[in-house]
Amino acid sequence: GENVEQHPSTLSVQEGDSAVIKCTYSDSASNYFPWYKQELGKRPQLIIDIRSNVGEKKDQRIAVTLNKTAKHFSLHITETQPEDSAVYFCAATINQAGTALIFGKGTTLSVSS
Amino acid sequence: SAVISQKPSRDICQRGTSLTIQCQVDSQVTMMFWYRQQPGQSLTLIATANQGSEATYESGFVIDKFPISRPNLTFSTLTVSNMSPEDSSIYLCSVVTGSGQPQHFGDGTRLSIL
Repeated sequence: GENVEQHPSTLSVQEGDSAVIKCTYSDSASNYFPWYKQELGKRPQLIIDIRSNVGEKKDQRIAVTLNKTAKHFSLHITETQPEDSAVYFCAATINQAGTALIFGKGTTLSVSS
Repeated sequence: SAVISQKPSRDICQRGTSLTIQCQVDSQVTMMFWYRQQPGQSLTLIATANQGSEATYESGFVIDKFPISRPNLTFSTLTVSNMSPEDSSIYLCSVVTGSGQPQHFGDGTRLSIL
Protein backbone atom coordinates (compact mmCIF):
# COMPACT_ATOMS: atom_id res chain seq x y z
CA GLY A 1 0.00 0.00 0.00
CA GLU A 2 0.85 3.66 0.01
CA ASN A 3 3.82 4.60 2.16
CA VAL A 4 5.52 7.85 3.15
CA GLU A 5 9.05 7.69 4.52
CA GLN A 6 10.49 10.63 6.42
CA HIS A 7 14.11 11.39 7.35
CA PRO A 8 15.74 12.16 9.65
CA SER A 9 13.78 11.12 12.73
CA THR A 10 15.64 13.68 14.85
CA LEU A 11 17.48 16.83 13.85
CA SER A 12 19.44 19.19 16.07
CA VAL A 13 20.65 22.55 14.78
CA GLN A 14 22.03 25.77 16.15
CA GLU A 15 19.89 28.89 16.04
CA GLY A 16 20.34 30.58 12.69
CA ASP A 17 21.24 27.41 10.83
CA SER A 18 19.08 25.82 8.16
CA ALA A 19 17.13 22.58 8.61
CA VAL A 20 16.06 20.18 5.88
CA ILE A 21 13.60 17.31 6.27
CA LYS A 22 13.02 14.86 3.42
CA CYS A 23 10.10 12.60 2.53
CA THR A 24 9.51 10.03 -0.18
CA TYR A 25 6.17 8.62 -1.23
CA SER A 26 5.22 5.49 -3.12
CA ASP A 27 1.95 6.27 -4.93
CA SER A 28 2.53 8.20 -8.15
CA ALA A 29 -1.14 9.29 -8.01
CA SER A 30 -0.52 11.38 -4.88
CA ASN A 31 -1.14 15.01 -5.79
CA TYR A 32 -0.99 17.03 -2.58
CA PHE A 33 1.78 17.22 0.01
CA PRO A 34 1.30 19.16 3.26
CA TRP A 35 3.68 19.71 6.15
CA TYR A 36 2.45 19.94 9.72
CA LYS A 37 4.17 21.22 12.85
CA GLN A 38 3.14 19.73 16.18
CA GLU A 39 4.29 21.23 19.43
CA LEU A 40 4.12 19.10 22.56
CA GLY A 41 0.53 18.54 23.66
CA LYS A 42 -0.93 20.57 20.79
CA ARG A 43 -2.73 19.91 17.54
CA PRO A 44 -0.84 19.46 14.27
CA GLN A 45 -0.77 22.80 12.46
CA LEU A 46 -0.37 23.18 8.73
CA ILE A 47 2.73 25.23 7.95
CA ILE A 48 3.04 24.85 4.20
CA ASP A 49 1.74 22.64 1.40
CA ILE A 50 2.43 21.98 -2.26
CA ARG A 51 0.43 20.52 -5.11
CA SER A 52 1.74 18.17 -7.74
CA ASN A 53 1.74 20.81 -10.50
CA VAL A 54 4.21 23.01 -8.61
CA GLY A 55 7.91 22.36 -8.02
CA GLU A 56 8.60 24.78 -5.19
CA LYS A 57 6.73 27.00 -2.77
CA LYS A 58 8.06 29.47 -0.25
CA ASP A 59 6.56 31.27 2.74
CA GLN A 60 9.03 33.52 4.56
CA ARG A 61 11.60 31.21 6.22
CA ILE A 62 9.88 28.01 5.10
CA ALA A 63 10.01 26.40 1.69
CA VAL A 64 8.92 23.09 0.21
CA THR A 65 10.27 21.45 -2.94
CA LEU A 66 8.71 18.60 -4.87
CA ASN A 67 10.32 16.20 -7.34
CA LYS A 68 7.51 14.17 -8.86
CA THR A 69 9.80 12.04 -10.97
CA ALA A 70 11.76 10.88 -7.95
CA LYS A 71 8.65 10.95 -5.73
CA HIS A 72 10.20 12.98 -2.99
CA PHE A 73 9.56 16.32 -1.34
CA SER A 74 11.47 18.33 1.23
CA LEU A 75 10.90 20.99 3.86
CA HIS A 76 13.50 23.70 4.21
CA ILE A 77 13.60 26.03 7.21
CA THR A 78 16.12 28.86 7.08
CA GLU A 79 17.39 31.03 9.94
CA THR A 80 16.00 28.61 12.51
CA GLN A 81 14.79 29.94 15.85
CA PRO A 82 14.19 28.14 19.17
CA GLU A 83 10.42 28.41 18.58
CA ASP A 84 10.86 26.22 15.50
CA SER A 85 11.54 23.32 17.88
CA ALA A 86 8.71 20.81 17.40
CA VAL A 87 7.80 17.59 15.61
CA TYR A 88 7.31 18.01 11.87
CA PHE A 89 5.19 15.62 9.82
CA CYS A 90 5.02 15.30 6.07
CA ALA A 91 1.97 13.78 4.40
CA ALA A 92 0.65 12.75 0.99
CA THR A 93 -2.82 12.09 -0.37
CA ILE A 94 -3.78 8.44 -0.73
CA ASN A 95 -7.12 8.42 -2.49
CA GLN A 96 -8.34 9.45 -5.92
CA ALA A 97 -10.32 12.32 -4.45
CA GLY A 98 -7.06 13.71 -3.10
CA THR A 99 -8.40 14.16 0.38
CA ALA A 100 -7.32 11.41 2.80
CA LEU A 101 -3.72 11.73 4.00
CA ILE A 102 -0.99 9.31 4.97
CA PHE A 103 1.67 10.73 7.27
CA GLY A 104 5.38 10.20 7.65
CA LYS A 105 6.70 9.13 11.04
CA GLY A 106 7.79 12.62 11.99
CA THR A 107 11.01 14.54 12.62
CA THR A 108 11.81 16.01 16.01
CA LEU A 109 13.60 19.29 15.37
CA SER A 110 15.56 20.86 18.21
CA VAL A 111 16.94 24.37 17.77
CA SER A 112 19.41 25.42 20.42
CA SER A 113 20.34 29.04 21.10
CA SER B 1 -10.19 28.93 8.98
CA ALA B 2 -12.93 26.89 10.67
CA VAL B 3 -12.99 26.51 14.45
CA ILE B 4 -12.96 22.82 15.33
CA SER B 5 -14.07 21.74 18.81
CA GLN B 6 -13.57 18.26 20.19
CA LYS B 7 -15.16 16.87 23.32
CA PRO B 8 -14.01 15.52 25.67
CA SER B 9 -10.47 16.87 25.62
CA ARG B 10 -9.33 13.92 27.71
CA ASP B 11 -10.76 10.96 29.55
CA ILE B 12 -9.71 7.98 31.60
CA CYS B 13 -11.86 4.93 30.98
CA GLN B 14 -12.19 1.41 32.26
CA ARG B 15 -11.35 -1.60 30.13
CA GLY B 16 -14.36 -2.94 28.25
CA THR B 17 -16.31 0.32 28.19
CA SER B 18 -17.04 2.60 25.23
CA LEU B 19 -16.52 6.32 24.74
CA THR B 20 -17.99 8.66 22.15
CA ILE B 21 -15.91 11.63 20.99
CA GLN B 22 -17.59 14.61 19.39
CA CYS B 23 -16.25 16.93 16.71
CA GLN B 24 -18.13 20.18 16.09
CA VAL B 25 -17.18 22.74 13.44
CA ASP B 26 -18.42 26.34 13.38
CA SER B 27 -19.11 26.26 9.64
CA GLN B 28 -20.08 23.70 7.03
CA VAL B 29 -17.23 21.55 5.80
CA THR B 30 -16.92 19.24 2.84
CA MET B 31 -14.90 16.47 4.45
CA MET B 32 -14.35 15.19 7.97
CA PHE B 33 -11.78 12.62 9.05
CA TRP B 34 -10.76 10.78 12.20
CA TYR B 35 -7.14 10.01 13.03
CA ARG B 36 -5.38 8.18 15.83
CA GLN B 37 -2.03 9.25 17.24
CA GLN B 38 -0.51 6.72 19.61
CA PRO B 39 1.97 8.04 22.20
CA GLY B 40 5.07 9.41 20.51
CA GLN B 41 3.88 8.23 17.10
CA SER B 42 2.61 9.67 13.86
CA LEU B 43 -0.99 10.14 12.78
CA THR B 44 -2.93 7.22 11.31
CA LEU B 45 -6.16 7.70 9.40
CA ILE B 46 -9.02 5.70 10.91
CA ALA B 47 -11.80 6.67 8.53
CA THR B 48 -13.48 9.31 6.42
CA ALA B 49 -16.78 10.39 7.96
CA ASN B 50 -19.34 10.61 5.16
CA GLN B 51 -22.37 12.79 5.64
CA GLY B 52 -25.54 10.75 5.67
CA SER B 53 -23.87 7.43 4.87
CA GLU B 54 -21.48 4.87 6.34
CA ALA B 55 -17.92 5.96 6.99
CA THR B 56 -15.06 4.75 4.80
CA TYR B 57 -12.59 2.83 6.97
CA GLU B 58 -8.88 2.36 6.35
CA SER B 59 -7.18 -1.00 6.52
CA GLY B 60 -6.94 -2.23 10.09
CA PHE B 61 -9.98 -0.31 11.35
CA VAL B 62 -13.51 -1.72 11.48
CA ILE B 63 -16.93 -0.27 12.07
CA ASP B 64 -17.70 -2.51 15.04
CA LYS B 65 -14.71 -1.14 16.94
CA PHE B 66 -14.88 2.48 15.73
CA PRO B 67 -18.45 3.38 14.75
CA ILE B 68 -18.66 6.84 13.22
CA SER B 69 -21.59 9.12 12.57
CA ARG B 70 -21.87 12.31 10.58
CA PRO B 71 -25.47 13.50 10.61
CA ASN B 72 -24.77 16.89 9.02
CA LEU B 73 -22.05 19.10 7.54
CA THR B 74 -20.74 20.43 10.86
CA PHE B 75 -20.75 17.48 13.28
CA SER B 76 -19.31 13.99 13.62
CA THR B 77 -18.79 11.44 16.37
CA LEU B 78 -16.29 8.63 16.80
CA THR B 79 -17.00 5.87 19.31
CA VAL B 80 -14.19 3.71 20.64
CA SER B 81 -15.89 0.45 21.63
CA ASN B 82 -14.95 -2.24 24.09
CA MET B 83 -11.77 -0.39 24.99
CA SER B 84 -8.49 -2.04 25.93
CA PRO B 85 -5.19 -0.44 27.04
CA GLU B 86 -3.99 -0.61 23.41
CA ASP B 87 -6.64 1.97 22.54
CA SER B 88 -4.88 4.58 24.69
CA SER B 89 -4.15 7.31 22.15
CA ILE B 90 -4.98 10.78 21.03
CA TYR B 91 -7.95 10.80 18.67
CA LEU B 92 -8.07 13.73 16.28
CA CYS B 93 -10.79 15.09 14.06
CA SER B 94 -9.79 16.94 10.89
CA VAL B 95 -11.81 18.84 8.33
CA VAL B 96 -11.56 20.16 4.80
CA THR B 97 -13.56 23.29 4.18
CA GLY B 98 -13.08 23.77 0.45
CA SER B 99 -13.16 21.60 -2.61
CA GLY B 100 -9.91 19.78 -1.87
CA GLN B 101 -7.32 20.63 0.75
CA PRO B 102 -5.96 21.69 3.18
CA GLN B 103 -6.97 19.73 6.28
CA HIS B 104 -7.12 21.37 9.67
CA PHE B 105 -7.13 19.49 12.96
CA GLY B 106 -9.02 19.79 16.20
CA ASP B 107 -7.18 19.76 19.52
CA GLY B 108 -7.72 16.03 19.93
CA THR B 109 -9.07 13.78 22.67
CA ARG B 110 -6.47 12.18 24.91
CA LEU B 111 -7.81 8.80 25.93
CA SER B 112 -6.32 6.55 28.59
CA ILE B 113 -7.67 3.10 29.33
CA LEU B 114 -6.96 1.44 32.66
